[in-house]
Amino acid sequence: DAGVIQSPRHEVTEMGQEVTLRCKPISGHNSLFWYRQTMMRGLELLIYFNNNVPIDDSGMPEDRFSAKMPNASFSTLKIQPSEPRDSAVYFCASSRQGVLNEQFFGPGTRLTVL
Amino acid sequence: SQQGEEDPQALSIQEGENATMNCSYKTSINNLQWYRQNSGRGLVHLILIRSNEREKHSGRLRVTLDTSKKSSSLLITASRAADTASYFCATDLPANSKLTFGKGITLSVRP
Repeated sequence: DAGVIQSPRHEVTEMGQEVTLRCKPISGHNSLFWYRQTMMRGLELLIYFNNNVPIDDSGMPEDRFSAKMPNASFSTLKIQPSEPRDSAVYFCASSRQGVLNEQFFGPGTRLTVL
Repeated sequence: SQQGEEDPQALSIQEGENATMNCSYKTSINNLQWYRQNSGRGLVHLILIRSNEREKHSGRLRVTLDTSKKSSSLLITASRAADTASYFCATDLPANSKLTFGKGITLSVRP
């Protein structure tokens, strides 16, 4: 298995631009998670899906952030408009049903907003 | 504040020595997990210990859980330079059933 795939690996954009991060979870995994990692705040859960349905989006910082999972093999995290404080590494992870199982992380997308 | 907090924040040891890292948490849990993150990479799951377990082994890793003290420890025996990484504990909260990660411990193993 290829593991969790994320794209792009690096993104540099200017403030105000729209950013879309993509994730392909491991086949057969029912749960998908989006995290953000910064030095100051550590690893934060933004949102997670079970069977393509958003379960908990309480970690999404504000309305500029949105996430979708149109099918079992694809998810996007969109930031519009982006701001410099959104600069971070964004990880996607997947697991078999539920949050209590081990999670498999993708390589992350390093986002820099100038 | 964090549900799971690791200590120390940083640890530097010589290759061959054992490394012990601790994690404390505040409320009851279903399970506790340890993850490793190499620089510039995603997290990798190491081991999961359930609340009714006291100790678990995986290769050179030994994890203990003391629910009365709300703490866990990760022991890496006979450390290698390749063990250099950040280590995170993650706990679930039964109330909201999501995994919460600590800030991590930076382990440096000197060759």
